[in-house]
Amino acid sequence: DTGVSQNPRHKITKRGQNVTFRCDPISEHNRLYWYRQTLGQGPEFLTYFQNEAQLEKSRLLSDRFSAERPKGSFSTLEIQRTEQGDSAMYLCASSFSYNSPLHFGNGTRLTVT
Amino acid sequence: EDQVTQSPEALRLQEGESSSLNCSYTVSGLRGLFWYRQDPGKGPEFLFTLYSAGEEKEKERLKATLTKKESFLHITAPKPEDSATYLCAVQDETSYDKVIFGPGTSLSVIP
Repeated sequence: DTGVSQNPRHKITKRGQNVTFRCDPISEHNRLYWYRQTLGQGPEFLTYFQNEAQLEKSRLLSDRFSAERPKGSFSTLEIQRTEQGDSAMYLCASSFSYNSPLHFGNGTRLTVT
Repeated sequence: EDQVTQSPEALRLQEGESSSLNCSYTVSGLRGLFWYRQDPGKGPEFLFTLYSAGEEKEKERLKATLTKKESFLHITAPKPEDSATYLCAVQDETSYDKVIFGPGTSLSVIP
């Protein structure tokens, strides 16, 4: 059990550019969650996968955000045409089953200049 | 709509001074309530899961309790290394088991 791995740890980009983050969950965890966290706030739910199926996506999530989980393994989160308001920590978590706790990675910190 | 609130927003304690953090929640169908600890620059670290009213869990100086509308995290004789943000989250069984977090309580324990 090597834990949830997120890459990169930090990303600085210019407004209008596209960025992609990767999350590798704990092996055999079939559920994968993406959250966004800004300073002083709790994690905000973005989207959730069970295996390769995306079960729910936050209503707050702009169409500029898209997530995939091909073959039910790693996941990617892409943000198109980034805006300064997208600057945040993006957290990934995985869990073994429906009633298991989430295990988090250490996040990708995005700064949009 | 599911909602989680936490109080206080921030708490400063002297080392050894016990206190409690509150988590109030509204959820359509509670699958479970989680407590996490988060240190600066890191992801949340799992502490406890509570599933039904009346349930209690303990770990070192921490004890979590659950009622039908709220949960408490009791900290007994805290140490400086307990300083962190404590997050509460609820899992909604009526919404694909989505997990919603509260804003957290920032705890500082002064030596």
